[in-house]
Amino acid sequence: GENVEQHPSTLSVQEGDSAVIKCTYSDSASNYFPWYKQELGKRPQLIIDIRSNVGEKKDQRIAVTLNKTAKHFSLHITETQPEDSAVYFCAPNTGNQFYFGTGTSLTVIP
Amino acid sequence: NAGVTQTPKFQVLKTGQSMTLQCAQDMNHEYMSWYRQDPGMGLRLIHYSVGAGITDQGEVPNGYNVSRSTTEDFPLRLLSAAPSQTSVYFCASSYGPGERGNTIYFGEGSWLTVV
Repeated sequence: GENVEQHPSTLSVQEGDSAVIKCTYSDSASNYFPWYKQELGKRPQLIIDIRSNVGEKKDQRIAVTLNKTAKHFSLHITETQPEDSAVYFCAPNTGNQFYFGTGTSLTVIP
Repeated sequence: NAGVTQTPKFQVLKTGQSMTLQCAQDMNHEYMSWYRQDPGMGLRLIHYSVGAGITDQGEVPNGYNVSRSTTEDFPLRLLSAAPSQTSVYFCASSYGPGERGNTIYFGEGSWLTVV
């Protein structure tokens, strides 16, 4: 199966600063690159995704960038707010099996 | 739509007991899967199904069975519970590859403790 790594595993930022989380994967056939957010005690939910024919996608304060050659993609959060505190997971896949990274715990300090 | 519904939400089992976690979705999704989540380990795939009558193993299938007799339902069976199976379990579903996208929808989770 896909070998997925996320870095960093924990991240603390001051409110208003930016946060970047990187996901590397092994399967060159992967063509779908989503990020999920999981708040404490809740289920993971999709926050943004990108497909392999697009290099970057932005949705308000969050963006995802993709480098297929290097097999990594990143989540960018700008102007962080306390409600961004959560665990973030990447799950690159071809649509047949869904393997998640080990997660990045983001803490936004007010 | 209710989305993905899983029960029970909380369960305590004794070592050696068996039980079934129920999962149902009403979105007509072909793909369904079960994950377990342990601290520091992320979400690990237990079993998955790409359609009724078809199931396959994920990363950590030992000690678990699944079946998919209908598109809607995908129960997870613990055959003989062990303390190592103490975890939070998530059922999930998606359309699978294609134009409608691969977004995964999760149930609310089942907290299982084996003593």
